[in-house]
Parts: sequence; structure tokens; C-alpha cells
Amino acid sequence: GESVGLHLPTLSVQEGDNSIINCAYSNSASDYFIWYKQESGKGPQFIIDIRSNMDKRQGQRVTVLLNKTVKHLSLQIAATQPGDSAVYFCADRTGNQFYFGTGTSLTVIP
Amino acid sequence: DSGVTQTPKHLITATGQRVTLRCSPRSGDLSVYWYQQSLDQGLQFLIQYYNGEERAKGNILERFSAQQFPDLHSELNLSSLELGDSALYFCASSVEPGHYGYTFGSGTRLTVV
Repeated sequence: GESVGLHLPTLSVQEGDNSIINCAYSNSASDYFIWYKQESGKGPQFIIDIRSNMDKRQGQRVTVLLNKTVKHLSLQIAATQPGDSAVYFCADRTGNQFYFGTGTSLTVIP
Repeated sequence: DSGVTQTPKHLITATGQRVTLRCSPRSGDLSVYWYQQSLDQGLQFLIQYYNGEERAKGNILERFSAQQFPDLHSELNLSSLELGDSALYFCASSVEPGHYGYTFGSGTRLTVV
């Protein structure tokens, strides 16, 4: 996605529930995608990545799904915990440049 | 600790002043990127360097400039500061442009008063 300076969308989930965070990207030539997590007062941290020749990749409690047909990326967090509260960004790579989405603020309710 | 070091962590300065933000990339990384993040907004790409040379420019104002030194550390210079320049400034590094993901520093919070 490309950051357009909009205010962050927000998502609130109950602790223990699954979270799904969505991201749209614009360039069909994007070949690599990353999800980052940014906790308050910290820099973004790599969570999981996926190449364009895949449609799903799983990590520890996280899964990324890629739908190239509609240029959509999602991050699923299983059994969401309070420590998952953060802003989540997607980034897509076109050529040798990464483009970051605006981000989604996830709040986990204990 | 991500391996990318940014100093200072916080900076408060007056309008019209000039400040310099410093970034040391992760060991082995040759590319450095600077981003601006205003409150509740996404990351705005400012500028990219690779091995001392400017590689790409984003939405960087003419009042801002940057450079990457032979030891690969980078500095972002912000001059004639305005209230609207208050933001978090992040540096990120990677082995080379477009390499698998960036490693971000913890940022410099600039407050212009």
C-alpha cells in the first residue's frame, strides 16, 4: 500500500479471539510483501513476509494471506493477546522500493 | 535492540531552528532510509541512500537534506523548522535496496515549539 496520510483505522478484539487486519496495495507488479508491528514509542518490527508466488504463509500465531487478483493482503493473529496491541503496517515491494500502508491500530480488550 | 541506532531519542527545538538526526545502520547493511511519521499517520518516505550515494527521494522538503558517510552512518538535517515538522523520524537499513525488508531504529521524536 501507499501511505496517503489518512488517520489510522482501528480494530478492537477480545483477548483470546482471532484478529484479521487487512491491507490493499495498488501495484500489480509488487512481488514481495511484509507485515510490520509498531508498538507505542518504538520503530516498526518485522512480523512475517510473503512472496508473490505464494498465497499463504504461516508463522507463530500469525498467518498472512495474499490475493493477487484483488491486490489484497491480510494478517491473521490467532488467540490475540494484550501484547499484540499495536499498529500494524503492510508493505509491498515494487522494483527495489517498499511502499507502506497507513496502518491499522489493534487494541486487545482483556 | 534492532541493530539500527538513532540519536537523539527526543528533541525539542524552536521554530526556525536547525537540527541534525543521526542514524547508524545495522552491521552489514549498506542502505539507509529515512521516514517521517506524524501523529496517527503512516510512514512517509523521505530519502534513501546506498553505500554513500542517494538512491531515491520521496516527499522530502527542500528545507530537509541528508547524507550517508563513508562509515555508512547517515544524518538527516532539518532546517527552518516549522510546527508541522513535529513528528517521529525513523531510520531503517537493509543490506541493499529492495532487500528482504527493512530493520527500523526506534526513532527520534522531534517537537517544534
